Amino acid sequence: AQKITQTQPGMFVQEKEAVTLDCTYDTSDQSYGLFWYKQPSSGEMIFLIYQGSYDEQNATEGRYSLNFQKARKSANLVISASQLGDSAMYFCAMRDRDDKIIFGKGTRLHILP
Amino acid sequence: NAGVTQTPKFRILKIGQSMTLQCTQDMNHNYMYWYRQDPGMGLKLIYYSVGAGITDKGEVPNGYNVSRSTTEDFPLRLELAAPSQTSVYFCASSHRTSGPEQYFGPGTRLTVT
Repeated sequence: AQKITQTQPGMFVQEKEAVTLDCTYDTSDQSYGLFWYKQPSSGEMIFLIYQGSYDEQNATEGRYSLNFQKARKSANLVISASQLGDSAMYFCAMRDRDDKIIFGKGTRLHILP
Repeated sequence: NAGVTQTPKFRILKIGQSMTLQCTQDMNHNYMYWYRQDPGMGLKLIYYSVGAGITDKGEVPNGYNVSRSTTEDFPLRLELAAPSQTSVYFCASSHRTSGPEQYFGPGTRLTVT
C-alpha cells in the first residue's frame, strides 16, 4: 500500500536561511507523482510544486525546489531564502497509478525573525 | 471561474443525524476527491472519483457515501453521524491533461455532538 512519511512534526528556522522539509514515500508503482502543499493558519491548501516519477530533472518553482531521489524514495522540499510568510504547515502527497492521492501528516514550519 | 465551492462552511450535527456536504467545480475537471483533516493532522482521503459515474474508496471511507452523477458535482453523504466524524472536510478537483495539481475548496468545518 502507498504511504507518505514526514518525520519532522515541527521545525524552527531563522529568516533568510534555507530549509529542507523531509518526505519519504512507499509505492510499488513505477508511475506516480509527488506534490507539496502549503497550508497557512487560514486553512486553505496552496499547491507548491510537483514531480513526476519519470521526470529526470528536479522540479523548481521560484524559491521552491523538490530534491527527488528515486532510489531512496525521497522527495524533500527545499525552500531557499525563507520568509516570515513561509510559516505554515507543509504537506507532502503522492498520486498513484490509479489517481488516488494521499497525504503525509505534515510538518509545521516556523520562521523566526 | 468560481473554482471549487463547498457548502456549508460550518455545521453542527447531533449524533445519529445525517447530512450531505456539497462540492461543485466549474473547471471541467474529471478527478474529484474528498478529504478529512482532523485537528493538527494531515489529510485523509475518504473517496475519490475519476469521472462521472465512477467512485472509489480512499483510506477512510467507513461512515460515508458519495455519488458522481455529473462532472461538476461530488456530494459526500454522512449517515448516522458520530463524534469521530468531527473534522474539517475538503473537496478537491484536478485534470490530468491540464496539470497535476489539485484545486481545493475552502473546507467545511463539521462538529458532531
